[in-house]
Amino acid sequence: DAKTTQPTSMDCAEGRAANLPCNHSTISGNEYVYWYRQIHSQGPQYIIHGLKNNETNEMASLIITEDRKSSTLILPHATLRDTAVYYCIAVNAGGTSYGKLTFGQGTILTVHP
Amino acid sequence: EPEVTQTPSHQVTQMGQEVILRCVPISNHLYFYWYRQILGQKVEFLVSFYNNEISEKSEIFDDQFSVERPDGSNFTLKIRSTKLEDSAMYFCASISNGYEQYFGPGTRLTVT
Repeated sequence: DAKTTQPTSMDCAEGRAANLPCNHSTISGNEYVYWYRQIHSQGPQYIIHGLKNNETNEMASLIITEDRKSSTLILPHATLRDTAVYYCIAVNAGGTSYGKLTFGQGTILTVHP
Repeated sequence: EPEVTQTPSHQVTQMGQEVILRCVPISNHLYFYWYRQILGQKVEFLVSFYNNEISEKSEIFDDQFSVERPDGSNFTLKIRSTKLEDSAMYFCASISNGYEQYFGPGTRLTVT
């Protein structure tokens, strides 16, 4: 799986958009970009994923650059409950590694009042 | 909303003892996973399971570990002879044929 690089930590004011960057310059054509988050010691929670098009769901938006070497997760109106560790993961679409997630250290997002 | 459940929430055991961690994945899911997270460290993949057999396992998943789906609902992780370094949070996860992996709340294993 391709390695991803994220900033160690970020801050965001409540109500503002949180933009979390991720570099994945070695991503291959069949690898998706997934975002998960982990609130305190809870189980990781799926946020969104994409291959090459931008994606949006009820939680967030995912912007993937045209060359697919980087992406940005956008939480449009961050709340205190969005304080968590956010993981950007490149995931192989098939084979015996189907679904296997290789977590890095992620980005600690702190949303403050 | 369907959810993955895990029992117990906290297990304390003595070094050398066997432990079984239990998980009930979401009912129509087909792929099952175990991960662990040592305190303060990243989440690590242990094993994936599909069609009643292991699909992939990590280097951590040595002969002391085994997984089983004994019936249509439970998915278990057994550690035969626990070591101090097995102390961690263990997460079970499942996926259907889509992309969203659902994680359970975890079992905190403490080996003394």
